[in-house]
Amino acid sequence: DSGVTQTPKHLITATGQRVTLRCSPRSGDLSVYWYQQSLDQGLQFLIQYYNGEERAKGNILERFSAQQFPDLHSELNLSSLELGDSALYFCASRRGGSGGEQYFGPGTRLTVT
Amino acid sequence: SQELEQSPQSLIVQEGKNLTINCTSSKTLYGLYWYKQKYGEGLIFLMMLQKGGEEKSHEKITAKLDEKKQQSSLHITASQPSHAGIYLCGAVLNSGNTPLVFGKGTRLSVIA
Repeated sequence: DSGVTQTPKHLITATGQRVTLRCSPRSGDLSVYWYQQSLDQGLQFLIQYYNGEERAKGNILERFSAQQFPDLHSELNLSSLELGDSALYFCASRRGGSGGEQYFGPGTRLTVT
Repeated sequence: SQELEQSPQSLIVQEGKNLTINCTSSKTLYGLYWYKQKYGEGLIFLMMLQKGGEEKSHEKITAKLDEKKQQSSLHITASQPSHAGIYLCGAVLNSGNTPLVFGKGTRLSVIA
């Protein structure tokens, strides 16, 4: 158990819908990273938050957004869902803003039908 | 082109045999992370290497970082069925605050 929690574990929804994925980092970790893992693209970085502020942005679509709350948990919002958004979504946390060990949560499997 | 190449893509070994997985970067490595993933599950942190020549071991798994070759290797000694899974390397490719870039992974099967 990495100490990073994610909910829900599975999510099945229809195209055009909007979903919210939730992540709680390890106790004491200030950074949260979101990644998308698909069979063809592998593990791709989406976005990083550090202590409530956006720190880095990767290949995140405009239909996707995220935020980190004062209690440091984070949510990833995916809207206008398309079939191609079906993937595993992971969050990871780290103590600081960069460097150091990074621990992953168990992931949320999103299926868009 | 892929910034981080892992080889081999897949590997089948007999239980008890040793094996090596390589991770090669097309850019300067500022840090290298190894993870193990069971299919469809989360990534388990194995090791982090930050300095050229650094070598770390955990149980029967050893990882080394060759800064000159911009490469890291993961070596498993006397493989067991519990070692089966997907091994992913993640790299820091910038001296600033950059998130990890991951390789495509190496799928390891261990047969009795």
